[in-house]
Amino acid sequence: AQSVTQLGSHVSVSEGALVLLRCNYSSSVPPYLFWYVQYPNQGLQLLLKYTSAATLVKGINGFEAEFKKSETSFHLTKPSAHMSDAAEYFCAVSDQAAGNKLTFGGGTRVLVKP
Amino acid sequence: EAEVAQSPRYKITEKSQAVAFWCDPISGHATLYWYRQILGQGPELLVQFQDESVVDDSQLPKDRFSAERLKGVDSTLKIQPAELGDSAMYLCASSHHIHPEAFFGQGTRLTVV
Repeated sequence: AQSVTQLGSHVSVSEGALVLLRCNYSSSVPPYLFWYVQYPNQGLQLLLKYTSAATLVKGINGFEAEFKKSETSFHLTKPSAHMSDAAEYFCAVSDQAAGNKLTFGGGTRVLVKP
Repeated sequence: EAEVAQSPRYKITEKSQAVAFWCDPISGHATLYWYRQILGQGPELLVQFQDESVVDDSQLPKDRFSAERLKGVDSTLKIQPAELGDSAMYLCASSHHIHPEAFFGQGTRLTVV
């Protein structure tokens, strides 16, 4: 069974500072990995995906993530936080053997301080 | 830009009543998912369809929940009777058979009182 662990349920950063959200996964097969963002009372929006091509993946809104197989990690970063980045972020792993069913981590809520 | 459509956006219902949610996936997406998201948690899969067939409903509480996708396009999720613990966000998502990423609708926020 696949699983995802997001370290830190809440992260607080200052505007302009680095955003780092941690994600570790467990998968018995080469994984597809995703980061989604969710604003209050909204659905999930895809930020970026890793599907076994380049290990450094660039997404929307200036976010990027690096796949590290040896560490089973897929951490999300953004060099400079903006107030609009305040939201909840979810890491997810896709089970290719089960129709690409997504298993999500518990989420990390990001607070951006002015 | 193509989107997953869900309705209603918000629903308040009394416990023991029936409630239904509707989802229209992105055109051409054969796979449709229903997820439940309890406040403060990540989404959890309830049911997955491939065209009109159920692929995975292992986490669907079948004594009160049902889901259908009769023509392999739009889908309905029903709860009868609703319980207080069903209060959550219900998210529909769809994906193309070639690309693994799922696209989500805006969700239905259910409150059971």
